[in-house]
Amino acid sequence: AQSVAQPEDQVNVAEGNPLTVKCTYSVSGNPYLFWYVQYPNRGLQFLLKYITGDNLVKGSYGFEAEFNKSQTSFHLKKPSALVSDSALYFCAVRDKGTGGFKTIFGAGTRLFVKA
Amino acid sequence: GAVVSQHPSWVICKSGTSVKIECRSLDFQATTMFWYRQFPKQSLMLMATSNEGSKATYEQGVEKDKFLINHASLTLSTLTVTSAHPEDSSFYICSARDQLAGEMTGELFFGEGSRLTVL
Repeated sequence: AQSVAQPEDQVNVAEGNPLTVKCTYSVSGNPYLFWYVQYPNRGLQFLLKYITGDNLVKGSYGFEAEFNKSQTSFHLKKPSALVSDSALYFCAVRDKGTGGFKTIFGAGTRLFVKA
Repeated sequence: GAVVSQHPSWVICKSGTSVKIECRSLDFQATTMFWYRQFPKQSLMLMATSNEGSKATYEQGVEKDKFLINHASLTLSTLTVTSAHPEDSSFYICSARDQLAGEMTGELFFGEGSRLTVL
């Protein structure tokens, strides 16, 4: 079965500094990887996805992610963090099981951006 | 992006009563919707996959008689928590994928979530 791991429960960064939220994956076959963000007491919002093609994927709100096949990683990055980026970030992978297609989420990483 | 509306956003009920949560895709059609449960400071746990016009597929350990799912149209899925108990208190989130998007590649669009508190 497919899975993703987010090794950090929390990431702290100062506003204006670059940020990285880590994600590694384990899949059989081609990986279909996603990043979502969740603000307090809200649903999730799609940020970006990797399906195929360029390893650097650009998404919403200035975020990007780098797909690295050799390291089985899909880290989320942003060149300059904003306080408003503070939220819970989920890495996810699409899986095809006996019940159909479903999305498997990592444990989530809470990002704190200090002013 | 596409919009998914989830209602109610919060509900308080007495133990033993049933609560219905609606999930609507407003500007796209979804043959498949997903229901998740999220505990505080934890990830999303997939409860079931809702299939339009057919029975839902439940994840292991989720009681289908407890959490009734109906997907009567391409834009509406409902989750009914029957005979609710305090341990059912949680944040329930629905999501949907545009039926025109790939099953493996299409991103999910999420509702705003429903916070259920059972007294």
